[in-house]
Amino acid sequence: QVQLVQSEAEVKKPGASVKVACRTSGYPFINFGISWVRQAPGQGLEWMGWISAYDGDRHFAQNFQGRVSLTTDTSTNTSYMELKNLRSDDSAVYYCARGRSGAPTGWFDPWGQGTLVTVSS
Amino acid sequence: SYVLTQTPSLSVAPGQTATITCGGDNIGGKSVHWYQHKPGQAPRLVVYDDLVRPSGIPGRISASNSGNTATLSISAVEAGDEAAYFCQVWDLSGPAEFGGGTILTVL
Repeated sequence: QVQLVQSEAEVKKPGASVKVACRTSGYPFINFGISWVRQAPGQGLEWMGWISAYDGDRHFAQNFQGRVSLTTDTSTNTSYMELKNLRSDDSAVYYCARGRSGAPTGWFDPWGQGTLVTVSS
Repeated sequence: SYVLTQTPSLSVAPGQTATITCGGDNIGGKSVHWYQHKPGQAPRLVVYDDLVRPSGIPGRISASNSGNTATLSISAVEAGDEAAYFCQVWDLSGPAEFGGGTILTVL
């Protein structure tokens, strides 16, 4: 079955970077895109960006422009999200989710299990 | 940005129907997708493209979208339906937008 399995929880200091992995299986990786979504404690879902696994095309939410990097590794069917210059309000659960390939549209299905990132001095 | 408005919480007795709304300016002109999110779990797609249920989602769940309101209905509510429900669309300028979520409590 289609699965997205994310890397383990991370604890980082302010100003550091974090890189979260999303390993996929059960479908042709390059036929889809991956979006990244986060949820801070007590908050709703916030879309961060999307990457096409086919050609690496990327779109980002304005809030994260310049601070987030999205990459894919087609040899391991894995997508990565790196968030730089971390602040305390970046503490959240970060999710990857499968989406369309050609453009950042449509629905997200399925989702990874989430990766808790805690930013604390 | 495009704003989606959801009622924060809703309580329903078992066996009754839960109606969850998602308001947005002319949301009827957009495709709306709905997710169920239980604590500690990954969000789960329950409806896409306004009214289509993915495989495995029970027929008790239905949805519609018109005018300024999209609606998710869950009939014959049971304890396992307790969760937060989020609506989602894509803004014209690109970003995906989520509603604030409705926490459904089964009494």
